[in-house]
Amino acid sequence: GAVVSQHPSWVICKSGTSVKIECRSLDFQATTMFWYRQFPKQSLMLMATSNEGSKATYEQGVEKDKFLINHASLTLSTLTVTSAHPEDSSFYICSARTVNSYEQYFGPGTRLTVT
Amino acid sequence: AQSVTQLDSQVPVFEEAPVELRCNYSSSVSVYLFWYVQYPNQGLQLLLKYLSGSTLVKGINGFEAEFNKSQTSFHLRKPSVHISDTAEYFCAVIHAGGGYQKVTFGTGTKLQVIP
Repeated sequence: GAVVSQHPSWVICKSGTSVKIECRSLDFQATTMFWYRQFPKQSLMLMATSNEGSKATYEQGVEKDKFLINHASLTLSTLTVTSAHPEDSSFYICSARTVNSYEQYFGPGTRLTVT
Repeated sequence: AQSVTQLDSQVPVFEEAPVELRCNYSSSVSVYLFWYVQYPNQGLQLLLKYLSGSTLVKGINGFEAEFNKSQTSFHLRKPSVHISDTAEYFCAVIHAGGGYQKVTFGTGTKLQVIP
């Protein structure tokens, strides 16, 4: 149980275009989902926290207009990287947790390459 | 504020030898502790967690960790490593309280098992 999927697993896009990444909890209802960014050989950096039906809470330094997060249902959250640039190339990982649970379940990640 | 320190960025060890990956944390309140493993180009997989109870926690793949409150440590150990254990290992901490809980990750330790 507690499986989180991400789609796509790998995406290449041209500079200036937007790309959407989906995060789904497959067998549980995720009241809260988290989006992380991971640079090569570094730890995970929390970008934002989203609660179902509410606006996402962004971490300091993360541009909310560039990284649009939607958590429209208890099983789906999306991250849209708008007007992507090469510096946005990174590994994006989502995680999800249920209400009253401390544990986060992580998705397999999405590698974004902006050319 | 809480923080997690993984002093060793890389740990090379011969196959079938024991290994210890160190993790120290700092927090003014009680915390829950986790160890995650990340294989290349994949998300994070939970190895083990400490929430309460016995300070020696056993996880998957033969790993175990011991919570030491006085030393504020949560070191990960395995008595005999395999080639397949080569991966990045992250220690993480969450406040043991209600409400919004942000996970703080360490910087990771790359375990390299040498045949």
